[in-house]
Amino acid sequence: GQNIDQPTEMTATEGAIVQINCTYQTSGFNGLFWYQQHAGEAPTFLSYNVLDGLEEKGRFSSFLSRSKGYSYLLLKELQMKDSASYLCAVAGGSYIPTFGRGTSLIVHP
Amino acid sequence: GAGVSQTPSNKVTEKGKYVELRCDPISGHTALYWYRQSLGQGPEFLIYFQGTGAADDSGLPNDRFFAVRPEGSVSTLKIQRTERGDSAVYLCASSPEASGNGYTFGSGTRLTVV
Repeated sequence: GQNIDQPTEMTATEGAIVQINCTYQTSGFNGLFWYQQHAGEAPTFLSYNVLDGLEEKGRFSSFLSRSKGYSYLLLKELQMKDSASYLCAVAGGSYIPTFGRGTSLIVHP
Repeated sequence: GAGVSQTPSNKVTEKGKYVELRCDPISGHTALYWYRQSLGQGPEFLIYFQGTGAADDSGLPNDRFFAVRPEGSVSTLKIQRTERGDSAVYLCASSPEASGNGYTFGSGTRLTVV
């Protein structure tokens, strides 16, 4: 099975940079996902990492270290609309993503 | 369709009743997943279909829960003898294949058991 750990809540200032960490333990590995979920809405896909390193996509970047069981999501130039829950999910040997509890990010002016 | 469609968007039912939740995946997506999400939690895996067959149903909490996908497209999640603890948002997702990439969620069905 998988065990995924991420902080429950983070706060940051508009315009700043924030890093959301995710650590995991898994039997088999077929990728790590980050999803954004606004209150009352479905999760929306942000990134997928299957190899070590940094993937950059606009204001969002995601990093993976498979040997350390560690990932982070980096959000730059924060905007108020970035206030949401950020879900880390790991696909193990079965390819089925298992989700963490999510990190609630609050961006304030 | 353009996205994953779930109906109804909200369902209120009495304890002990039977409910059916429907998921219409993105056209051509062979993999379909059901998840359940309680407030303040991440989505919890229930069942995964590859085509018409349930490839992994290890997440179904008990035998009151059942899901079908008879023609490899639309799926129905069925809950018998509902309990208050079944109240949650039921999310469906689909992807082109079993790899899990390109995974798109529907808007979910909010089930409330009173």
